[in-house]
Amino acid sequence: AAGVIQSPRHLIKEKRETATLKCYPIPRHDTVYWYQQGPGQDPQFLISFYEKMQSDKGSIPDRFSAQQFSDYHSELNMSSLELGDSALYFCASSLLSVDRFSYNEQFFGPGTRLTVL
Amino acid sequence: AQKVTQAQTEISVVEKEDVTLDCVYETRDTTYYLFWYKQPPSGELVFLIRRNSFDEQNEISGRYSWNFQKSTSSFNFTITASQVVDSAVYFCALRGSGSARQLTFGSGTQLTVLP
Repeated sequence: AAGVIQSPRHLIKEKRETATLKCYPIPRHDTVYWYQQGPGQDPQFLISFYEKMQSDKGSIPDRFSAQQFSDYHSELNMSSLELGDSALYFCASSLLSVDRFSYNEQFFGPGTRLTVL
Repeated sequence: AQKVTQAQTEISVVEKEDVTLDCVYETRDTTYYLFWYKQPPSGELVFLIRRNSFDEQNEISGRYSWNFQKSTSSFNFTITASQVVDSAVYFCALRGSGSARQLTFGSGTQLTVLP
């Protein structure tokens, strides 16, 4: 079965540079979530999109922006990179369900490891 | 607000021992979902189990078992006869029933199984 694809898998940048992370959700999934996991930390929710519209926002810095495109893939754009942005960035996708007795399970991608030097 | 607490930061056991990872959660939602994920050294998040708040049945899957107790807001995870390959960080996570569908993770428990 198709899984969530993230690219690149590894990225090295210098301080103050920009980075773009890409996420390709599972086909027919309409919701994308971005999480940031710092070294030794738990994943922290950044932002999510449903049907190409931002649905929820977490602890995403103003230097970061994201969008979901017409083909449902999503990109996380990070500018003015700081050393503290070094982390594993996960994308997850789900199919939204409005039934309270079911659940739109999130499937995680393998993550993009960003290193800022 | 939702919160997940994994009080055990690190646990070391010897192979074939049983080990229980604790998870305590807080939520105001009456319907919610609890999860366990495994993160091996390679970094990916591996889904292990989902439990709905209205289903308090415990579950066993091979060497894994989960004990969900709403009365104590706990969702503990037991590995029986641990193996070296079980060494990983294990995260407990929570999702409420509101419009916000993101997961709230605990801080994780590093499990090391020694040969």
